[in-house]
Amino acid sequence: DAGVIQSPRHEVTEMGQEVTLRCKPISGHDYLFWYRQTMMRGLELLIYFNNNVPIDDSGMPEDRFSAKMPNASFSTLKIQPSEPRDSAVYFCASSLDSYSGNTIYFGEGSWLTVV
Amino acid sequence: QQQVKQSPQSLIVQKGGISIINCAYENTAFDYFPWYQQFPGKGPALLIAIRPDVSEKKEGRFTISFNKSAKQFSLHIMDSQPGDSATYFCAASMGDTGGFKTIFGAGTRLFVKA
Repeated sequence: DAGVIQSPRHEVTEMGQEVTLRCKPISGHDYLFWYRQTMMRGLELLIYFNNNVPIDDSGMPEDRFSAKMPNASFSTLKIQPSEPRDSAVYFCASSLDSYSGNTIYFGEGSWLTVV
Repeated sequence: QQQVKQSPQSLIVQKGGISIINCAYENTAFDYFPWYQQFPGKGPALLIAIRPDVSEKKEGRFTISFNKSAKQFSLHIMDSQPGDSATYFCAASMGDTGGFKTIFGAGTRLFVKA
């Protein structure tokens, strides 16, 4: 399997612009996660989906952030409008099912810089 | 109660030495404790994991020690190598209604000097 695929790998955008990050989870995985990684806050869970349905979005920082999963093979994380403090690495990850011992498989991340 | 506290923040070890990273948790509902390894420019990847019904798990040079009563667990890397230089995250996971939750520690940046 190709693993979790994210795009773009790097994005530099100006403050106020809309940013859309994309993710293709591993085929057959029921769970999809969006994480954000920064030096200050470490690895934060933003939102996760089960069978395309958002289950917990309590980690989404504010209304400027939104995530969708229109089908089992695609998800987006959108930031509108973007701000410099959104600069971070955003990881998409997927997992097989709800068993707590399941491995979470991470993509290689989308490196976002907002100037 | 959902936090996982990890220390140290960074660690420098000589080649051949032992690297030790510690983690502590509060919530006794956690039932799975994985460690993830992250190389620069890559996403975290599962390294080794343990359940609270055992006190130790070893895979090659990597060992998890688990102390259920103290709610602490640690990663030991024996004979540390420069290729082990990476960021290590401990985590705690539990099943939950409709899914499961994994909480990550803040990470430890390990540098192994050749």
